[in-house]
This record gives sequence, C-alpha cells and structure tokens, in this order.
Amino acid sequence: SQELEQSPQSLIVQEGKNLTINCTSSKTLYGLYWYKQKYGEGLIFLMMLQKGGEEKSHEKITAKLDEKKQQSSLHITASQPSHAGIYLCGADGLSGGSNYKLTFGKGTLLTVNP
Amino acid sequence: DVKVTQSSRYLVKRTGEKVFLECVQDMDHENMFWYRQDPGLGLRLIYFSYDVKMKEKGDIPEGYSVSREKKERFSLILESASTNQTSMYLCASSLSQPQHFGDGTRLSIL
Repeated sequence: SQELEQSPQSLIVQEGKNLTINCTSSKTLYGLYWYKQKYGEGLIFLMMLQKGGEEKSHEKITAKLDEKKQQSSLHITASQPSHAGIYLCGADGLSGGSNYKLTFGKGTLLTVNP
Repeated sequence: DVKVTQSSRYLVKRTGEKVFLECVQDMDHENMFWYRQDPGLGLRLIYFSYDVKMKEKGDIPEGYSVSREKKERFSLILESASTNQTSMYLCASSLSQPQHFGDGTRLSIL
C-alpha cells in the first residue's frame, strides 16, 4: 500500500478559485515537504513542516500539518495559471534507514483554466 | 541558491548499452540521491549516497549501480540498459532537508 496518499489525483479549477490538496499517512510524519513540478522538469521545493499544528504560507500558498502529524494540506488561494503543475508531498523516516530519505506521494496534477 | 545540474535533459540509448547519468551539485552537500519517476508509480528512490564512496540502496536498485568519487558528483550507471528502464531520472542533493532537485533526464531505451 502507498505510504503517502495524495488526493485528489488531478484537479481542474477556474482561475481565481481556491483549492486544497491533501497528503495523508498512516504513520506519524516527522517531516513533511511540499514540492511543485512543471511537466518534464525537476521538483521545486515549496515548504517544509515539522511540528504538529504548524502552518506556513508563501504568497498565495498555505501548507498545514495537523496536530497528530499524519495529514498535511496545501491550500492555494485565488489560483492563477502559474500555479498549474504537479504537486508532490514527501516525508522522511517512513521507509526505514536514513532519515534523509524521502518517500513521496504520487502527486496531484493541477490545471488552472484562464 | 543550490544548483543541481544533470548532464543531459534528453538521452536515447539502445538495449544492452552501458549508460551513465551524471549529476553535479555546487553546495557541498553530503547527501545525494537518484530517483526515477514513472506515470502511476510516482517518484521512487534508486540509490543514495551520504558521503564520498558511500552508498545505500533505495527501493528499486536492481539493474543500476552508482559511483561517488567526489563529493559534488554522483553518477547513476545502467549496466546493461533495458526498455523497462525508459523513464524520467531525477537527481537531488541535501545537507539534511529539504532535498534540492535537478531538472531531470528523460531517458529512452530503444
């Protein structure tokens, strides 16, 4: 079974709408990392969450980690075409061995229609 | 800014060839990683290295090997390329967290 479940798998929104992407684990998350990927390119780091209840924002993107540290959400306010891409969550410590290894969700494909 | 550079964006090779993918980082990071990314399977760790000449298998090491002779460079080697190794390959580096990624190499094995 997938250790990190992302939902939805894909999302199409109209420009200006708000949206939320979720990332859920059955295990406690010691570090949760959000990345964005444009098609065919590398991953760009967005935000890191490590404490239960933590919330971080950058421009119109807000990421939260719940108190139990098993679920994170990424919220985009007033979406723009530049927000389009694949959003991935990654977590460390899930697969054993070094805590520097990350396990990733399968990603959420976001399309923003003008 | 951290810069992780992968030697090729696109590469086409033939079955049975020995293939080298190169990755260089400029931030003196101890940790370097190789992933492959496939539709429906997501990002999967092939190998990682936590120091020069040190390496550890990831989730899918079969058919691959790695080399880290210098701190800034981490090479992924496909010993005898097969068609099921056609994929997007991503390199990353880190001091601890987060990992910083290169632009990826889209490798096609014909």
